[in-house]
Amino acid sequence: SQQGEEDPQALSIQEGENATMNCSYKTSINNLQWYRQNSGRGLVHLILIRSNEREKHSGRLRVTLDTSKKSSSLLITASRAADTASYFCATADTGANSKLTFGKGITLSVRP
Amino acid sequence: DTAVSQTPKYLVTQMGNDKSIKCEQNLGHDTMYWYKQDSKKFLKIMFSYNNKELIINETVPNRFSPKSPDKAHLNLHINSLELGDSAVYFCASSQDPSFIGEETQYFGPGTRLLVL
Repeated sequence: SQQGEEDPQALSIQEGENATMNCSYKTSINNLQWYRQNSGRGLVHLILIRSNEREKHSGRLRVTLDTSKKSSSLLITASRAADTASYFCATADTGANSKLTFGKGITLSVRP
Repeated sequence: DTAVSQTPKYLVTQMGNDKSIKCEQNLGHDTMYWYKQDSKKFLKIMFSYNNKELIINETVPNRFSPKSPDKAHLNLHINSLELGDSAVYFCASSQDPSFIGEETQYFGPGTRLLVL
């Protein structure tokens, strides 16, 4: 069953602006991951945040996790045209055979 | 030096045919996966293997049969293809997701399957 739900479904911004994408989930998790998918390509891992972490940074990416609200956000600062892609959150549940459950994705368009 | 590779990249076939998709990873990972991404980009896990053993089998029709000859390869065979099988199929690998620090998955480029 679907776990992560991202919003908005689509986001269009100007180059240089910040992009904020949100993800909500339903069950207990070990970690939450964000992936990027460029058109016609495979998914690329961006960042992982564990259930005992609240915030994490990687370059222009900032991820937050609120386990009480079962939600996460991905912030891309100073966006570039090359950031245009679909972004997915994926949750790893706490089961024995932990698997990743992906949301439907957010389509980000960064206008030059 | 491709990490996770899939063949073929595109597959167009008639309903009722049997086809296979191959996946290889050169990352030394123990775990491999097959995902299906539909036309709305919804990505859903189908199978996962750890060291050639089936770990996850998500309510996938038994027309789909994964085979792992060794831990670097996970192939997907599909019998009696149906129109609804049209999708993009992604292979992925990870070290061992049950261990902290090894949960990241690495995806192949995808195989675009179109069933006519």
